Amino acid sequence: SNELTQPPSVSVAPGQTATITCGGDIIGTYSVHWYHQKPGQAPVLVVFDDSDRPSGIPERFSGSKSANVATLTINTVEAGDEADYFCQLWDSGRDVYVFGPGTKVIV
Amino acid sequence: EVQLWESGGGLVKPGGSLRLSCEASGLTFPIYAMNWVRQTPGKGLEWVSGITARGTNTYYADSVKGRFIISRDNSKNTVYLQMNSLRAEDTARYFCAKEPGGVVVYHFDLWGQGTQVTVSS
Repeated sequence: SNELTQPPSVSVAPGQTATITCGGDIIGTYSVHWYHQKPGQAPVLVVFDDSDRPSGIPERFSGSKSANVATLTINTVEAGDEADYFCQLWDSGRDVYVFGPGTKVIV
Repeated sequence: EVQLWESGGGLVKPGGSLRLSCEASGLTFPIYAMNWVRQTPGKGLEWVSGITARGTNTYYADSVKGRFIISRDNSKNTVYLQMNSLRAEDTARYFCAKEPGGVVVYHFDLWGQGTQVTVSS
C-alpha cells in the first residue's frame, strides 16, 4: 500500500517524551517530513529529510527512520506542543505527495 | 516579512468553477516550486497540486486530475488554482505552500493561512 499510517492520538505528561510513528510500505524508500498544526493555524515544518530540523525549531524535536517506520520524538514536552502532527513524503513513483492521517498530541 | 496570502475562496454550486490565488511577498518567488494543499474541517491534509519554479511541470492528485489546473505568473509573484466541475467533496480550506527549491520533490517550508472553499447547492 502507498498509504501512511499514524496513531490517532498520543497522550503525554509535561516534561516527558512523546513519540509519534508514521508507517507505510514506502517509508523506507523516500524522505519523510513532519509538520505540526495548531487549531486555526497553518501547518509548520518541524523535521525534514527524516531527521533534519529547520531553523527556529527547538532541539527537543527530532526525527528518525528505520525500515518502514518513521518516528518523530518530542523531548521534554511542553503545553505548547499540543497540536496535530502529520508526516509526509514525495512518492516519486507516482509523482504525488502523501500525507499521513495525523496524530493529535495531548499534553 | 516572508508570507503567502491566499484569496478567491467562497461558496459555489456543484459543477461550478472557482479560481484561487496565492501571492507571495518577501521572497524571490520565481525560484521556488509551489503547491496547493487542502484540509476538511477536523480532518487531515490532502495534497492537491504542485508546479515547478518556471511552471514547466505540473502535478496533480488523482482526486482532482482533469478538473483542476495549477499555473503561476512569476511577474506577479502569484500561483493559481483553477477549479472546475466542483463537487461537494472539494469543500475544504485550501492552503498554498512553498518548496525550498525549484522542483516539486522536497517539502513545504512556508504555508499561507488558507482560503475556504464550500461547494453546496
